[in-house]
Amino acid sequence: DAGITQSPRHKVTETGTPVTLRCHQTENHRYMYWYRQDPGHGLRLIHYSYGVKDTDKGEVSDGYSVSRSKTEDFLLTLESATSSQTSVYFCAISGIIVGASPYEQYFGPGTRLTVT
Amino acid sequence: QKEVEQDPGPLSVPEGAIVSLNCTYSNSAFQYFMWYRQYSRKGPELLMYTYSSGNKEDGRFTAQVDKSSKYISLFIRDSQPSDSATYLCAIHQGAQKLVFGQGTRLTINP
Repeated sequence: DAGITQSPRHKVTETGTPVTLRCHQTENHRYMYWYRQDPGHGLRLIHYSYGVKDTDKGEVSDGYSVSRSKTEDFLLTLESATSSQTSVYFCAISGIIVGASPYEQYFGPGTRLTVT
Repeated sequence: QKEVEQDPGPLSVPEGAIVSLNCTYSNSAFQYFMWYRQYSRKGPELLMYTYSSGNKEDGRFTAQVDKSSKYISLFIRDSQPSDSATYLCAIHQGAQKLVFGQGTRLTINP
């Protein structure tokens, strides 16, 4: 366990409602990421952050926004959830770890989101 | 063409067999190559990584990179039922980002 928690772990919501997922880390790592995982597509990057208030888009960012006001928290918001956003969402962190590659990412346990 | 291609399987082998998992990639500039293991309904966990070409061994696991062929492999010796999982290759794409293969689902049968 890399000191990453995600909340909620499961959520069912209706189409058109806003949803916010939270990622919390205790490791003080600079980089944080949001991925979605779907059958046939593997892990795809949604957004990532390289510091407080510094974020950038990933491969599948449409329909998602993020915010990072503190080092330890990275929020993913679905402004108006759609059925195509039904997925498993993973948060990851990376940073400078002694003895490790700086590019290694460590993942949280995931949030299973269903949009009906 | 996807940047990283991985056969999704599923792959099913008997206990004790040698398993070979593979990925191909398109960008010859990639330098860091990683393998993650993901158990059902869990987050991916880093198994091992290699830098540039060559082999790296960790217990029953060996990661191999062939940059001339743009081909990376993970070998599992003396496979155990506890190795049953999805294995994902990942490659550092630049700007602290990784690009992942689709994942190969592996089952080791007792």
